[in-house]
Amino acid sequence: GQQLNQSPQSMFIQEGEDVSMNCTSSSIFNTWLWYKQDPGEGPVLLIALYKAGELTSNGRLTAQFGITRKDSFLNISASIPSDVGIYFCAGNTNAGKSTFGDGTTLTVKP
Amino acid sequence: KAGVTQTPRYLIKTRGQQVTLSCSPISGHRSVSWYQQTPGQGLQFLFEYFSETQRNKGNFPGRFSGRQFSNSRSEMNVSTLELGDSALYLCASSLEPSGRGMDTQYFGPGTRLTVL
Repeated sequence: GQQLNQSPQSMFIQEGEDVSMNCTSSSIFNTWLWYKQDPGEGPVLLIALYKAGELTSNGRLTAQFGITRKDSFLNISASIPSDVGIYFCAGNTNAGKSTFGDGTTLTVKP
Repeated sequence: KAGVTQTPRYLIKTRGQQVTLSCSPISGHRSVSWYQQTPGQGLQFLFEYFSETQRNKGNFPGRFSGRQFSNSRSEMNVSTLELGDSALYLCASSLEPSGRGMDTQYFGPGTRLTVL
């Protein structure tokens, strides 16, 4: 089945630094989604991408749908302590299944 | 607009018992998907329902089943519980099923199931 390789697995950064994480796959996806999950809660949708090459921003977050449709990245600028959490990428195919990356755990030191 | 709600939030069961979890999607959303989340396996897709029909199924044993009602509310059932079934069970709803372009999923807070 499809697999998503999400990296890095974890990041420890200083408040104010920029963050970048990405997901790659050997399969093509029609939709890329980025979620953030806080402990004990469900993932919250951050950004949805629907077209290859699409670059979308949501406040300090920017995500891009790769031209090959096999990858996506998420950038967070000027990180703040509340950015702490686990970030997941997800890809959807025409066949109707969602595949999730293993997550990137972000720690922000004040 | 209210988000996805899941009940109960926490559940403790013993091996061999069965459990039913409930999910109410966002109003107007017709597709509901279920996921199992564990520290070691990440988010694993269980099944997706649309218009009361199971549309997709992940690689889980037959002990895991689900259904969707005419109001789009969904339940999942796990029979003969095993220790390894301890996990956070997440429900997600979307306007349309996966693959139709309007398939952005919104997650509920999850049900934390502990099997003793």
